[in-house]
Amino acid sequence: SQQGEEDPQALSIQEGENATMNCSYKTSINNLQWYRQNSGRGLVHLILIRSNEREKHSGRLRVTLDTSKKSSSLLITASRAADTASYFCATEDTGRRALTFGSGTRLQVQP
Amino acid sequence: IAGITQAPTSQILAAGRRMTLRCTQDMRHNAMYWYRQDLGLGLRLIHYSNTAGTTGKGEVPDGYSVSRANTDDFPLTLASAVPSQTSVYFCASSAGQNTGELFFGEGSRLTVL
Repeated sequence: SQQGEEDPQALSIQEGENATMNCSYKTSINNLQWYRQNSGRGLVHLILIRSNEREKHSGRLRVTLDTSKKSSSLLITASRAADTASYFCATEDTGRRALTFGSGTRLQVQP
Repeated sequence: IAGITQAPTSQILAAGRRMTLRCTQDMRHNAMYWYRQDLGLGLRLIHYSNTAGTTGKGEVPDGYSVSRANTDDFPLTLASAVPSQTSVYFCASSAGQNTGELFFGEGSRLTVL
C-alpha cells in the first residue's frame, strides 16, 4: 500500500506563479524526500527533510514538514516552463528498508 | 559518469516467456532497488538489496526474483511473464542501507502480450 498521497493530482499554472504540492503519509518516518520525473525519464532527487526538521530550502524549492499532521508541502517559487514534470514525495519509514512513494502530482507550467 | 544503466530500454514479450532486466551502477553504492511504476499508482517496491549477497522482498515481489552477486549488478528476472507485469521498471541505488537519496536509472518499459 502507498504511504504518501500527493494533492493535487494535477496542477496547471502560468510561468512566474508559485506551485504548491502537498503530501500526506500514515506512519512514523525518519525522513521525507521529494523527487521530480520528466516525461519518460527516471526520477531525480530534489530535497530531503528529516523528521526533526520543519522547513528546508534549496534554490526555488521550499519544503515543510509537519510530523503532528503527517504532512509535507513542496513550494516551487517563480515557476518556469522547464519545471513541467511529475513530482513525488517519498517517505523512509522507521523500521523499513526502502522508500515508499506516493502517486505524484503532475505539474504543467504554461509559458 | 554513467550512474545507473538499465537494459533493455523497451521490450515486448509474449506471456509465459522468461525475461531478465539488467541494472548496473558505477557509484559503488551498497543498496539497490527495483520499483515498478504504473499509471495512477506511483512507484511500488519489488525487491531490494542492502549489500552484495543479500536481497529482500518489497511490496509486490510475486512473479519476480533478483540476485546480487556483486556490488554493481542487480538483475530482475520474470520467470514466466504475465500481462499484469506490463509496466515501467526502475532500478535505483543509494549509498547506505538507511536510504537517503536514491539515484534512478532511466527505466525499462516492458509490455507483456
